[in-house]
Amino acid sequence: KAGVTQTPRYLIKTRGQQVTLSCSPISGHRSVSWYQQTPGQGLQFLFEYFSETQRNKGNFPGRFSGRQFSNSRSEMNVSTLELGDSALYLCASSLNSDNEQFFGPGTRLTVL
Amino acid sequence: AQTVTQSQPEMSVQEAETVTLSCTYDTSESDYYLFWYKQPPSRQMILVIRQEAYKQQNATENRFSVNFQKAAKSFSLKISDSQLGDAAMYFCAYRSAKGAQKLVFGQGTRLTINP
Repeated sequence: KAGVTQTPRYLIKTRGQQVTLSCSPISGHRSVSWYQQTPGQGLQFLFEYFSETQRNKGNFPGRFSGRQFSNSRSEMNVSTLELGDSALYLCASSLNSDNEQFFGPGTRLTVL
Repeated sequence: AQTVTQSQPEMSVQEAETVTLSCTYDTSESDYYLFWYKQPPSRQMILVIRQEAYKQQNATENRFSVNFQKAAKSFSLKISDSQLGDAAMYFCAYRSAKGAQKLVFGQGTRLTINP
């Protein structure tokens, strides 16, 4: 079975731009979660989608949004990028709420 | 809100020896899960071991085992017969059993294996 895939792997943007990151979960997995990893704040939960519905949201500003499609693929969007948004964005999928999460390789976003 | 604390930013161990990574957490919930994840330099996060809070028996996975002390809210990871491939960042994580897939992570411990 293929693992969680994330595209693109690396991205460079400038302040004020917006960005869309994509995550394809393991086949059959319906839950997709997103995390932001930075040296200063560590790993922080952004949001979780299950069957196209946002089920939980972390403490991030409204510039961070996401969605999930009927095939369980998920996208997250960050608008009006700030320097502090530079981070590794990790996506994780799980079969359902009781199962462990499997992580993708991440998207490294650099904001200049 | 739940918090997870890893008090050892860095640890090192000689190859083939045993090392223990510490983790404490704070929660008012009685039902939850605890995890140790490994993040090698390639950045792919890998699940090492999982513990359900309702289980008194400590989880083991080959060379990896945990010491789960629920009353003390402590969850340490023991790696036996350390191998060079064990070198990585190790994250302790908490998840409520109430259904949402939200992991709360500690700050991580960087483990170095000396040959």
